[in-house]
Amino acid sequence: AQSVSQHNHHVILSEAASLELGCNYSYGGTVNLFWYVQYPGQHLQLLLKYFSGDPLVKGIKGFEAEFIKSKFSFNLRKPSVQWSDTAEYFCAVRTGGFKTIFGAGTRLFVKA
Amino acid sequence: EPEVTQTPSHQVTQMGQEVILRCVPISNHLYFYWYRQILGQKVEFLVSFYNNEISEKSEIFDDQFSVERPDGSNFTLKIRSTKLEDSAMYFCASRTGQGGIDQPQHFGDGTRLSIL
Repeated sequence: AQSVSQHNHHVILSEAASLELGCNYSYGGTVNLFWYVQYPGQHLQLLLKYFSGDPLVKGIKGFEAEFIKSKFSFNLRKPSVQWSDTAEYFCAVRTGGFKTIFGAGTRLFVKA
Repeated sequence: EPEVTQTPSHQVTQMGQEVILRCVPISNHLYFYWYRQILGQKVEFLVSFYNNEISEKSEIFDDQFSVERPDGSNFTLKIRSTKLEDSAMYFCASRTGQGGIDQPQHFGDGTRLSIL
């Protein structure tokens, strides 16, 4: 069955620290990959997406992610986090059908 | 920027009652979805809807659930005879039909459903 794994459930960083959130998926075919962010009390928002082409994709707010096909991974990175990045981050995979499968989410807390 | 809107933001219902959650997708979108997120758990796919019919549904979407697009703008999720375990945040999403499937879904703010 298709699945998405996010390695860290909770991450605590100080401001200006670098961030990397892991995401692995299990599916052998073509995938569309997404990272969503959910700020406290708000709805899911798209951070970035990968469909094809350059495996390093840049999104909003200084986030980027790298698709490594051989590792079935799509890790999210940011060189220097801010207090306002405190949120929950979801990796998601769409496998060509209609549904999107989400990971369990990673709660990021950035200390000011 | 157009948004997906959901009403109400919070719905409190007695167990066993029927509830209807409403969504207004982005106007030119053709694919519609419902997801739910039980507190502390992951976002789960419930159902997708296209061309006035369900295109895919998960095992969660059993006979107590139904979806409808009663007019050109609304997309509703009905839960018959609600159970305590239906308490969750329900998200509606929509996607354009243009540009193939390589388009992201746009999510609404969610409706928090509390079953008492």
